[in-house]
Amino acid sequence: EAQVTQNPRYLITVTGKKLTVTCSQNMNHEYMSWYRQDPGLGLRQIYYSMNVEVTDKGDVPEGYKVSRKEKRNFPLILESPSPNQTSLYFCASSIGQGTQETQYFGPGTRLLVL
Amino acid sequence: QKEVEQDPGPLSVPEGAIVSLNCTYSNSAFQYFMWYRQYSRKGPELLMYTYSSGNKEDGRFTAQVDKSSKYISLFIRDSQPSDSATYLCAINTNAGKSTFGDGTTLTVKP
Repeated sequence: EAQVTQNPRYLITVTGKKLTVTCSQNMNHEYMSWYRQDPGLGLRQIYYSMNVEVTDKGDVPEGYKVSRKEKRNFPLILESPSPNQTSLYFCASSIGQGTQETQYFGPGTRLLVL
Repeated sequence: QKEVEQDPGPLSVPEGAIVSLNCTYSNSAFQYFMWYRQYSRKGPELLMYTYSSGNKEDGRFTAQVDKSSKYISLFIRDSQPSDSATYLCAINTNAGKSTFGDGTTLTVKP
């Protein structure tokens, strides 16, 4: 079954404690992306990756890091989380570079930073 | 000014109505146009994807793009209660940068 998995699904942490949210896809997609969703604000792109070792900033990259060492994995790293990073996070992948035809989203990770 | 503006809603219609959802954008570099449906507590689901001006149909859904006016729309015919969800427009550059509208929440009443 084609899918994007994210872990953990729910996380409560404290300010400054480094955390990583994993994202993995089993479709051999080249393009992967991270978004955050806040009430009334739609989705905002954090980082995206066109292929292995190729990453670029979206609209809200501050406070986040990513890496793409393998095609299937695209972890999101919060080096020093702050309360304003409390949000719902989605990872997504798609087959094409730059296009979202046949795009799949993960189930989301709900993060609370105290 | 936001790069993508979506009609805010919420929208409430009776079952069977035609629904029109709309977005405008400001950046001519945008080349790919998408509509997503998101049910409560779920991830977005891609509904429609297009890259050219004109109409694209898929069942009860029609996506319309007017690049000259920088305007995109999603029409839902014969709306059903199961269409009740938040609808998000999204527009991409060729380089993969993705910008979403804020979403319109639709309720279809039986």
